[in-house]
Amino acid sequence: ETGVTQSPTHLIKTRGQQVTLRCSSQSGHNTVSWYQQALGQGPQFIFQYYREEENGRGNFPPRFSGLQFPNYSSELNVNALELDDSALYLCASSSGTGAEQYFGPGTRLTVT
Amino acid sequence: GDSVTQMEGPVTLSEEAFLTINCTYTATGYPSLFWYVQYPGEGLQLLLKATKADDKGSNKGFEATYRKETTSFHLEKGSVQVSDSAVYFCAVNRGGSEKLVFGKGMKLTVNP
Repeated sequence: ETGVTQSPTHLIKTRGQQVTLRCSSQSGHNTVSWYQQALGQGPQFIFQYYREEENGRGNFPPRFSGLQFPNYSSELNVNALELDDSALYLCASSSGTGAEQYFGPGTRLTVT
Repeated sequence: GDSVTQMEGPVTLSEEAFLTINCTYTATGYPSLFWYVQYPGEGLQLLLKATKADDKGSNKGFEATYRKETTSFHLEKGSVQVSDSAVYFCAVNRGGSEKLVFGKGMKLTVNP
């Protein structure tokens, strides 16, 4: 059974640019959640996708957006990058909206 | 909203010492409670969980009991090892909610 995978592992962007992060969910899972983990902090919920529809959103501005594809993989897009967007972005998949979440290794984004 | 308060550390212990990490939560309804561990440079791994009052979660020598009367879920291990060095996060998921709410995490270093 393949676990949750994320790409890329690391990314460096310049302020104002746009970035796309990718996540492949674990086999059999139809729900993907995204979290932002700033250095020294706990993960903060960004949003969740269930069967290709957004199902809940945390306190993040609209420049954070996402997609889920028919195979349940997902993308996180961030526009107009700011220095404070530098963080580890974690993807988690689950078999339903309230089910146990399994995390990927994360993408480390650095904004300069 | 839901929240988690946990010991933040950092904490340094000697091998075979006793470990307690305090965690209290605020959540409506009947939340599930989790402990996640994050090893250096990695994503989150579920360590243990409890889904109802008085449940005890256990894994790899770690234990935590869901105490509804004190809204607590303290993590304990009787004898830590160097390999337990990591950051530990307490988290709550309100029943049916789409998101996990995490504490700020506690960094544990175990010296030989």
